[in-house]
Amino acid sequence: KAGVTQTPRYLIKTRGQQVTLSCSPISGHRSVSWYQQTPGQGLQFLFEYFSETQRNKGNFPGRFSGRQFSNSRSEMNVSTLELGDSALYLCASSRASGNYNEQFFGPGTRLTVL
Amino acid sequence: DQQVKQNSPSLSVQEGRISILNCDYTNSMFDYFLWYKKYPAEGPTFLISISSIKDKNEDGRFTVFLNKSAKHLSLHIVPSQPGDSAVYFCAASADTGNQFYFGTGTSLTVIP
Repeated sequence: KAGVTQTPRYLIKTRGQQVTLSCSPISGHRSVSWYQQTPGQGLQFLFEYFSETQRNKGNFPGRFSGRQFSNSRSEMNVSTLELGDSALYLCASSRASGNYNEQFFGPGTRLTVL
Repeated sequence: DQQVKQNSPSLSVQEGRISILNCDYTNSMFDYFLWYKKYPAEGPTFLISISSIKDKNEDGRFTVFLNKSAKHLSLHIVPSQPGDSAVYFCAASADTGNQFYFGTGTSLTVIP
């Protein structure tokens, strides 16, 4: 069974640009969550999508948005990039929504903003 | 505001000895706790979990202890092996959805 895949793996952008990251969950998983990992901050929850609907949202500005398609694939968009957006962005999929569902993480997309 | 804290950024242990990784939380609504292990260039992988109705859960060499009154949990690895060298994250959630709160991680080095 294929794991969670994220594309691209590495990305370099400049301030003010926007970026779209993609996540393909494990087959049969309907929940996708996104996290930002920075040194000293650990993993910060961005949002969760389940059946194409945003279920939860973390404490991030509106520049961070996402969506989920009918095949459960998810995209995350960051507009007007800032230097502080440089981070590893991880997505995780689980079979269903709810806190007792094990999350499986992808390898992440390393975003560097110059 | 960091609701889950791992106050030790790093830990070194001799092979064969016990590794103890600690985690504290502030939200009394958390009722499910997990530990993840992360190798460089890979996403975190689930290790072990515990719900608030238990105070201990074992899986092979890994045991998680939960002290609800102290809002503290710990992961014990016995015996430690060099392959256990990784960053360990603890995470917690409340029964309000799929939102997990992660600590900042502890980098474990097991010395052969």
